[in-house]
Amino acid sequence: SQWGEENLQALSIQEGEDVTMNCSYKTYTTVVHWYRQDSGRGPALIILIRSNEREKRSGRLRATLDTSSQSSSLSITAAQCEDTAVYFCATDASSGSWQLIFGSGTQLTVMP
Amino acid sequence: EAGVTQSPRYAVLQEGQAVSFWCDPISGHDTLYWYQQPRDQGPQLLVYFRDEAVIDNSQLPSDRFSAVRPKGTNSTLKIQSAKQGDTATYLCASSLGPGTNERLFFGHGTKLSVL
Repeated sequence: SQWGEENLQALSIQEGEDVTMNCSYKTYTTVVHWYRQDSGRGPALIILIRSNEREKRSGRLRATLDTSSQSSSLSITAAQCEDTAVYFCATDASSGSWQLIFGSGTQLTVMP
Repeated sequence: EAGVTQSPRYAVLQEGQAVSFWCDPISGHDTLYWYQQPRDQGPQLLVYFRDEAVIDNSQLPSDRFSAVRPKGTNSTLKIQSAKQGDTATYLCASSLGPGTNERLFFGHGTKLSVL
């Protein structure tokens, strides 16, 4: 799980396997963003799931959101080598002004 | 559509030196963010603007860091007297507006090493 961890976590799987990454957050949120970051590049949004959605799909990606347990997950079906990247969840926090707060990230390595 | 452009890509400094980072957001995006990303950590918000106004700079170390966006388009982040602890990648992002549902578009970042 990303939230509350200071440093990157690591997962290593074989091509074709399914994988799930988890994210737990501390405060009420209305939305969870999932970003992927390739080496040497900035993060890029892959899925955005709102608090009134329990599940959202995009191709081989599936995100879930459980507001009661303050957690979200990102699953990749039949992972491919090109899915190798760092995956971050990010939630909104309102402390006077809106901010997007990122978790520590999961380094996913998909091996051929 | 052109993405968010940042320069330089890399910077290497001695402690005490100054450095500036430049960002050109996506055209039409009124909200611009600067994030600091230490190695093996997630991005951490430093400051963000809507047009030329600073909305939140509470995480910006004000004694050494400054950020401006004078015409509501390009932005500059400056470190006056760099410390080794400033070693990180500095990411600029833009969005159509502030708010929870807005997608952030990030630049490639500037990787800063302070020796």
